[in-house]
Amino acid sequence: GDSVTQMEGPVTLSEEAFLTINCTYTATGYPSLFWYVQYPGEGLQLLLKATKADDKGSNKGFEATYRKETTSFHLEKGSVQVSDSAVYFCALTSGSARQLTFGSGTQLTVLP
Amino acid sequence: DAGVIQSPRHEVTEMGQEVTLRCKPISGHNSLFWYRQTMMRGLELLIYFNNNVPIDDSGMPEDRFSAKMPNASFSTLKIQPSEPRDSAVYFCASSPGGGGKGDTQYFGPGTRLTVL
Repeated sequence: GDSVTQMEGPVTLSEEAFLTINCTYTATGYPSLFWYVQYPGEGLQLLLKATKADDKGSNKGFEATYRKETTSFHLEKGSVQVSDSAVYFCALTSGSARQLTFGSGTQLTVLP
Repeated sequence: DAGVIQSPRHEVTEMGQEVTLRCKPISGHNSLFWYRQTMMRGLELLIYFNNNVPIDDSGMPEDRFSAKMPNASFSTLKIQPSEPRDSAVYFCASSPGGGGKGDTQYFGPGTRLTVL
């Protein structure tokens, strides 16, 4: 079945540091890939997505590129802020299924 | 739009009691999803509806769980009888449903359920 593997957290960075959160996937066919973010006490919000190979999703300074050859969708940001502290989930949908398959989530804490 | 609305936000109940969680999807969306989030299992799909019809309920843990969507603007998830292991955050999400697997799902704020 489909699966998503994220790097283990928690991740703690200083403000303005570079962020990478690794995400790899296993899926049949050509999945769509997503990054969702969950702030404390809130639901999940879409951060960015990519629906085909080599697409780059971007939003709020975050980027991720759909790499079919390495089955990866790593999240990056060049300079994190304290307000980026949250849990980040990599996810996919594939085939005719519309439900999201999530990774385990990565807790990010950014210190001032 | 108001976004996906869930109620209650918090529910504390005793083992054996019936619990009903409610969800109002975004107007015009025709797919609705119920997810459960726990520390042990992460985020997992319970059931999803398309045009008010249940499409995949393979994630529903057991017969104690049931979900309905009587119309396009309302869905319920019921647990009867509840057990302590049902304690979790339950999220409802909706999507437009017309874009296939690339559709964005919009999540509600969740219901935190505690079963004592």
